[in-house]
Amino acid sequence: AQSVTQLDSQVPVFEEAPVELRCNYSSSVSVYLFWYVQYPNQGLQLLLKYLSGSTLVKGINGFEAEFNKSQTSFHLRKPSVHISDTAEYFCAVSDPPEYGNKLVFGAGTILRVKS
Amino acid sequence: DAGVTQSPTHLIKTRGQQVTLRCSPISGHKSVSWYQQVLGQGPQFIFQYYEKEERGRGNFPDRFSARQFPNYSSELNVNALLLGDSALYLCASSLELWEETQYFGPGTRLLVL
Repeated sequence: AQSVTQLDSQVPVFEEAPVELRCNYSSSVSVYLFWYVQYPNQGLQLLLKYLSGSTLVKGINGFEAEFNKSQTSFHLRKPSVHISDTAEYFCAVSDPPEYGNKLVFGAGTILRVKS
Repeated sequence: DAGVTQSPTHLIKTRGQQVTLRCSPISGHKSVSWYQQVLGQGPQFIFQYYEKEERGRGNFPDRFSARQFPNYSSELNVNALLLGDSALYLCASSLELWEETQYFGPGTRLLVL
């Protein structure tokens, strides 16, 4: 069975500082990996995804993530955060396409950007 | 193009009642999935429907049911509501069953008193 662990429930950071949100996964098969963002009282928006190929994935709003198979990690990074990045971030994993695209999510990390 | 839409946005029910939540996928998307997000947790998979057939079910009791219509819209029904059913219910659509990217709607927030 797949599972996702987000190691930090909350990450406070000052504006314009770099940030890393950590995600580890477990799976017995090859996986697809995703980061979604949820702003208050809204649904989920896809930030980026890893399917195959280059292990460094660039997404929207200046975010990027690196897939590390040996460490089963998919950490999210941004070199300089803005107040508007304050939101909850979810890491998710899904099966290969022949098994459907059901997502398994982590518990989320709340990013609080302070001025 | 419109994104995934869900109705109603908010709902208040009492224990033991029944509720129906509705979802319209992005135009052309044939697969719809439902997720439950309890406060402070990540979303949990409930159901997936593709071409009107159930193609996946999460670890939820039989009180939860769903269906998909010929126009690919979907309904989620929950019977005999419990306090623990209070959550944000998210609908997601994808072009095909095997399409890796799902697009989420804004959710329906259900409060059970």
